Amino acid sequence: DSGVTQTPKHLITATGQRVTLRCSPRSGDLSVYWYQQSLDQGLQFLIQYYNGEERAKGNILERFSAQQFPDLHSELNLSSLELGDSALYFCASSDFAGALDNEQFFGPGTRLTVL
Amino acid sequence: DAKTTQPPSMDCAEGRAANLPCNHSTISGNEYVYWYRQIHSQGPQYIIHGLKNNETNEMASLIITEDRKSSTLILPHATLRDTAVYYCIVRVGRTSYDKVIFGPGTSLSVIP
Repeated sequence: DSGVTQTPKHLITATGQRVTLRCSPRSGDLSVYWYQQSLDQGLQFLIQYYNGEERAKGNILERFSAQQFPDLHSELNLSSLELGDSALYFCASSDFAGALDNEQFFGPGTRLTVL
Repeated sequence: DAKTTQPPSMDCAEGRAANLPCNHSTISGNEYVYWYRQIHSQGPQYIIHGLKNNETNEMASLIITEDRKSSTLILPHATLRDTAVYYCIVRVGRTSYDKVIFGPGTSLSVIP
């Protein structure tokens, strides 16, 4: 158990819909990262937040958005869903200021299926 | 784009050492080499990281060449539970800006 929690574990929805994925980082971790992993694309970095602020952006579509709240949990919002958005979505957290030197701890993931 | 290259797959006999290579010829002076592994559809798991010196922990050893252009992850006594995809990535350590790029990794199969 990494200490990172993600909800829901599974999500099935239809094209055109909007969903929200939730992540709670390890206690004390200020950084949250979101990744998308589909069968043909591997593990793709989407976005990083640090203490409520966006810090790094990867291959995140404009239909996707994220935020980190004052209690440090984060949400990834996916809208106008397409079949190709079906994937595993992972959240990770880290405490770069700590002794662990930016090691990332990954959650169990949310499996999104768009029908 | 990923800044590392790894062989797509490798086999290793159970009980033997698994040596997983990684090339990172464009690594910068302030970038660390990190290794993660992902067991089927689970969240990736941190293994080890290093900057210049060789590193060892309870899971593995990391050997970094003197010019830092390549490294090798060593699992000293591979078990069936080590079957996973292993990712080698380079990142700047201790920074709040952390655009992490994973490559396709090496799929390691440990064979009984």
